[in-house]
Amino acid sequence: AQKITQTQPGMFVQEKEAVTLDCTYDTSDQSYGLFWYKQPSSGEMIFLIYQGSYDEQNATEGRYSLNFQKARKSANLVISASQLGDSAMYFCAMREALEGNKLVFGAGTILRVKS
Amino acid sequence: DTEVTQTPKHLVMGMTNKKSLKCEQHMGHRAMYWYKQKAKKPPELMFVYSYEKLSINESVPSRFSPECPNSSLLNLHLHALQPEDSALYLCASSQVLATESFNSPLHFGNGTRLTVT
Repeated sequence: AQKITQTQPGMFVQEKEAVTLDCTYDTSDQSYGLFWYKQPSSGEMIFLIYQGSYDEQNATEGRYSLNFQKARKSANLVISASQLGDSAMYFCAMREALEGNKLVFGAGTILRVKS
Repeated sequence: DTEVTQTPKHLVMGMTNKKSLKCEQHMGHRAMYWYKQKAKKPPELMFVYSYEKLSINESVPSRFSPECPNSSLLNLHLHALQPEDSALYLCASSQVLATESFNSPLHFGNGTRLTVT
């Protein structure tokens, strides 16, 4: 079974608008971490934001926020005030304590910001 | 600038060649990783080193041979590769936390784009 599911292969957003990228996960572990990474066409994998399974507050980092709904097993990334430089592939990923802390990625969502 | 440095950035090799990919980090991280990424796909874990010891091998073919000479360096030795091994190879590092390593993000290098001819 897929551990991480990203159902949006591609998304478009108008510059300066907000966009939500969806991520659902599947785990029976109580201890896990959820991560979002950005990968521009140049290839580097950039860490954006993290949410721990025991965190009660949603994580925020500048224009990025994570909408964490534990009961629904979802960890959506919200990007506010989109910029042209936000155009990239975005990956949701998870580490589970019982799985050796391996980082496992979803299929990714390609985001295109329009001017 | 990334704090994980990978060399070379690009590599073209024949199927009979032997080459090595190199990765270096100076963040004091004691876990290091190799991932393989095909175009338009997510990265796939290959190997994990923890405290310079191999802790995870995801059933990778023996033509890929990892090495961790010290806590800052990670190598991937390549021999007799196939054209389907052409991909972006990403190195990463992370902290090892006693009971909460799942909280620690991986920090990636810029990758080596490998082409096998």
